[in-house]
Amino acid sequence: EVQLVESGGGLVQPGGSLRLSCAASGFTFSDHYMDWVRQAPGKGLEWVGRIRNKANSHTTEYAASVKGRFTISRDDSKKSLYLQVNSLKIEDTAVYYCVRSSDGKFDTFYVWGQGTMVTVSS
Amino acid sequence: DIQLTQSPSFLSASIGDRVTITCRASQDISSYLSWYQQKPGKAPELLIYAASTLQSGVPARFSGSGSGTEFTLTISSLQPEDFATYYCQHLKSYPLTFGGGTKVEIK
Repeated sequence: EVQLVESGGGLVQPGGSLRLSCAASGFTFSDHYMDWVRQAPGKGLEWVGRIRNKANSHTTEYAASVKGRFTISRDDSKKSLYLQVNSLKIEDTAVYYCVRSSDGKFDTFYVWGQGTMVTVSS
Repeated sequence: DIQLTQSPSFLSASIGDRVTITCRASQDISSYLSWYQQKPGKAPELLIYAASTLQSGVPARFSGSGSGTEFTLTISSLQPEDFATYYCQHLKSYPLTFGGGTKVEIK
């Protein structure tokens, strides 16, 4: 069974940092692009960023709202995805989802984790 | 950036109704469009990708159509488990934006 399990969320003060993790199982992690998507309370979905697979040199893309503050990385040997979030703002408060996306064929968001909540508040 | 506009943002329907949701892109995105369903407190789930390809395991009452700038998600006969919020998403270029969502509620 394909599974994505996020962890690392919590309450943090404005300007603080967190590292979110996503543990993958049930598929060949190294073959897939991986994405992060967030959802503020009561709001819609916002794409955060992407890291490509090893075949595409693990290159990254980011939404303008997080570029320079957030960093996506992965460890294929551990089947894990990470999101380092720095300089947090109130508006970064959201559930953060880890997503399995493209395997080089069709690009879409195939499988989503259950999410981890990040609350930025003083 | 490519903007996606979903309509309606809210709809009220009865069991057995045919429901259509529209997603309009601000520029041509070919068929690089996906649809997701999200139930309260749960993560979104993929319904359709490449505008019209049904994801494995998704009931055949769901269908997608369109290309270019106008797309539709149709539920042929609404079932109790279909009451949820639906989102479109483009994957044409970065950033990969989502539509604002359509909440489908029971009439």
